[in-house]
Amino acid sequence: SQELEQSPQSLIVQEGKNLTINCTSSKTLYGLYWYKQKYGEGLIFLMMLQKGGEEKSHEKITAKLDEKKQQSSLHITASQPSHAGIYLCGADNGNAGNMLTFGGGTRLMVKP
Amino acid sequence: DTEVTQTPKHLVMGMTNKKSLKCEQHMGHRAMYWYKQKAKKPPELMFVYSYEKLSINESVPSRFSPECPNSSLLNLHLHALQPEDSALYLCASSQASGDLVNEQFFGPGTRLTVL
Repeated sequence: SQELEQSPQSLIVQEGKNLTINCTSSKTLYGLYWYKQKYGEGLIFLMMLQKGGEEKSHEKITAKLDEKKQQSSLHITASQPSHAGIYLCGADNGNAGNMLTFGGGTRLMVKP
Repeated sequence: DTEVTQTPKHLVMGMTNKKSLKCEQHMGHRAMYWYKQKAKKPPELMFVYSYEKLSINESVPSRFSPECPNSSLLNLHLHALQPEDSALYLCASSQASGDLVNEQFFGPGTRLTVL
């Protein structure tokens, strides 16, 4: 089965600082998703990457997919307290059903 | 309407009770999912329904019984649960599953406590 490893597991940054979260897959990535979750709540879809080298941005968040390395990175520029939460990467296993396997999550705290 | 709704938001039940979780979407999605999430852990897939038919069951115990009465509704029937089944249960939906890579939209979850 596919496994996703996220790093770091937790991160505390000062407001205004940039940060990067990584997600590495044990198998070929067919689709890589980034979600954000507030404690005890549902997942908010951020971005989906499909092709090697693809890069997407939304507001101050940029995600890239390195297909060869089976890795994705999520970069936040000029972090704000509103960016705090748990960031989860999820991978589509490529089979029928679009089942998602998630990484362990990165818990982000932004200090004002 | 671009959201997935789940009811109830919180549920407390005894080990002998029978209860149901409900999930609804009106985005025309034909794939729906149940995930279980324990504290400080990522969501784990339980079931996938594709075109109202069960396509994936991730070896979930029979005390969890999913049902998809129509393309907009997904239920999870609970019976004789154990305290370790206490978790956040998340429902998600996406466009037709299969070869296409489709983002999943998640509901807010039902926080289940089994006493």
